[in-house]
Amino acid sequence: QQQVKQSPQSLIVQKGGISIINCAYENTAFDYFPWYQQFPGKGPALLIAIRPDVSEKKEGRFTISFNKSAKQFSLHIMDSQPGDSATYFCAASIDYKLSFGAGTTVTVRA
Amino acid sequence: GAGVSQSPSNKVTEKGKDVELRCDPISGHTALYWYRQSLGQGLEFLIYFQGNSAPDKSGLPSDRFSAERTGGSVSTLTIQRTQQEDSAVYLCASSPWGGANTEAFFGQGTRLTVV
Repeated sequence: QQQVKQSPQSLIVQKGGISIINCAYENTAFDYFPWYQQFPGKGPALLIAIRPDVSEKKEGRFTISFNKSAKQFSLHIMDSQPGDSATYFCAASIDYKLSFGAGTTVTVRA
Repeated sequence: GAGVSQSPSNKVTEKGKDVELRCDPISGHTALYWYRQSLGQGLEFLIYFQGNSAPDKSGLPSDRFSAERTGGSVSTLTIQRTQQEDSAVYLCASSPWGGANTEAFFGQGTRLTVV
């Protein structure tokens, strides 16, 4: 079964807008929560990651919010740009094993 | 090379045939992973190699799937008697060391189509 549930499946945002992707998990043993970005024909690449002892992490226009009690975390893409159009995967890991969400395809319209 | 290299990029095979997929990890990376990405699905863990330790094969979906890693570097994923449900993108990743909070660097994948 999917250990990490991701929504929405897809979203469209105007250039300059905010994209928000949500993920939820059940296994409280997860101790690392990365987000991966994937462009068509390419492998996923690490975008940003957070540990459960931190509630928020920001890198440039990308922010992870983490709610340990709710077992939820989200990715916010601020000032979305056409180059951000890609599929985004949340993930959670115990030790070396990553469990991925199903992915969200983001389309940024100019 | 600069990144994880996988070959072939695309493979079309007939149902029942065996296929081999190759992965060249980043030089010096001790950990190597195989994942499977089916259409509209997330990445599914298949197998993990770390140094000389016994591999974690817990994600292999059936005994038709096997993988080896020679000399701690190149890895080959073998699927015997392929079925249509094996059609997917097979992704290989490596990391400098195994364990928690380690970034995995992915190759571009091999798209396998079983007809």
